[in-house]
Amino acid sequence: GQQLNQSPQSMFIQEGEDVSMNCTSSSIFNTWLWYKQEPGEGPVLLIALYKAGELTSNGRLTAQFGITRKDSFLNISASIPSDVGIYFCAGEIQGAQKLVFGQGTRLTINP
Amino acid sequence: NAGVTQTPKFRVLKTGQSMTLLCAQDMNHEYMYWYRQDPGMGLRLIHYSVGEGTTAKGEVPDGYNVSRLKKQNFLLGLESAAPSQTSVYFCASNEGQGRYNEQFFGPGTRLTVL
Repeated sequence: GQQLNQSPQSMFIQEGEDVSMNCTSSSIFNTWLWYKQEPGEGPVLLIALYKAGELTSNGRLTAQFGITRKDSFLNISASIPSDVGIYFCAGEIQGAQKLVFGQGTRLTINP
Repeated sequence: NAGVTQTPKFRVLKTGQSMTLLCAQDMNHEYMYWYRQDPGMGLRLIHYSVGEGTTAKGEVPDGYNVSRLKKQNFLLGLESAAPSQTSVYFCASNEGQGRYNEQFFGPGTRLTVL
């Protein structure tokens, strides 16, 4: 099946640091989505991207849809304790009717 | 709106027992999905539905069956549970494709098979 390679798998940072994570694929996607999952909860949508090159922000979060349509990144600026969780990228191939998810990036923040 | 709800939240089964997980959404979404989440594996698609009365296989369908008799409900069945089916199960829904493919997730069902 289709694969999304998400990196890094885990991050341990200090409060206030910036965070960057990315997803790559060998396939072309027409949509990229970024989700956050907190312990005991379902994933919650953070940002949705629909056009190659698109750069979208949601507060301290910024995500970009890669020009090649095969990658996307998510940045978090000035991290705070509530940013802790697992971040997933997801992509849709045109007409596929379903999403492919990355393996997740587990973010841990030391206060 | 309650969004996407799942019943039950926790369940323990013995090997060979059967059970049905219920997913309900009140957003009038066409598409619904069942995923399982295992440590380090991310979310893997089990089955999905693109409308009432339709179902399709996902990445890991073996050992599961689904039904979508009503638009708002999507049922996931385990006919004969196995320890390998111990996992957290998530249901999701969305309006459709393209700009309508933003999936909304339920809170999950934690299943243990002994």
